[in-house]
Amino acid sequence: AQRVTQPEKLLSVFKGAPVELKCNYSYSGSPELFWYVQYSRQRLQLLLRHISRESIKGFTADLNKGETSFHLKKPFAQEEDSAMYYCALSPISSGSARQLTFGSGTQLTVLP
Amino acid sequence: EADIYQTPRYLVIGTGKKITLECSQTMGHDKMYWYQQDPGMELHLIHYSYGVNSTEKGDLSSESTVSRIRTEHFPLTLESARPSHTSQYLCASSLGGGSGANVLTFGAGSRLTVL
Repeated sequence: AQRVTQPEKLLSVFKGAPVELKCNYSYSGSPELFWYVQYSRQRLQLLLRHISRESIKGFTADLNKGETSFHLKKPFAQEEDSAMYYCALSPISSGSARQLTFGSGTQLTVLP
Repeated sequence: EADIYQTPRYLVIGTGKKITLECSQTMGHDKMYWYQQDPGMELHLIHYSYGVNSTEKGDLSSESTVSRIRTEHFPLTLESARPSHTSQYLCASSLGGGSGANVLTFGAGSRLTVL
């Protein structure tokens, strides 16, 4: 069975400080990893996915298969980054999101 | 504009009432999903559909039912609501296959409170 763990329910950092949201997973096959974000009063939306290898809103995430992690990082946090962040995993061969598994989320607060 | 719509956004009802949460999308997506979201918890898949007349239950047991008579419409029904059904319900959709199949587009959610 696949599992996604986000060890921090709450995370607070000051504006301009680096931020790292942790995500660990367990899955025996080849995973596809995602970060979804939900800003206050907005919909849950995709932030980034590991296969795209993009930087979105200054955030990056690298899949570390050895440590089974997909931590989300940003060098300089902004107040508008305050949101709930969900890490998610799906088998890479899946033809739908039927097998997408979400973590329990981390609420990030960026303090002024 | 292509989007996914959920109504009602908020609903407060008494125990025993029948309710239907509506979800419609103009994304042109084949696959649709219903998730249950509670504070501090994972999103749990309760129903999904691969296409018209194709519905299956998700990992989280739910007393709700769904139907998919039209591609764009995926309503969720509770025949007799109970306080344990109080939650946020999220509808989502995704492409039929390929690299976009795992990328979900979410609706704004329906927050249900059963008294």
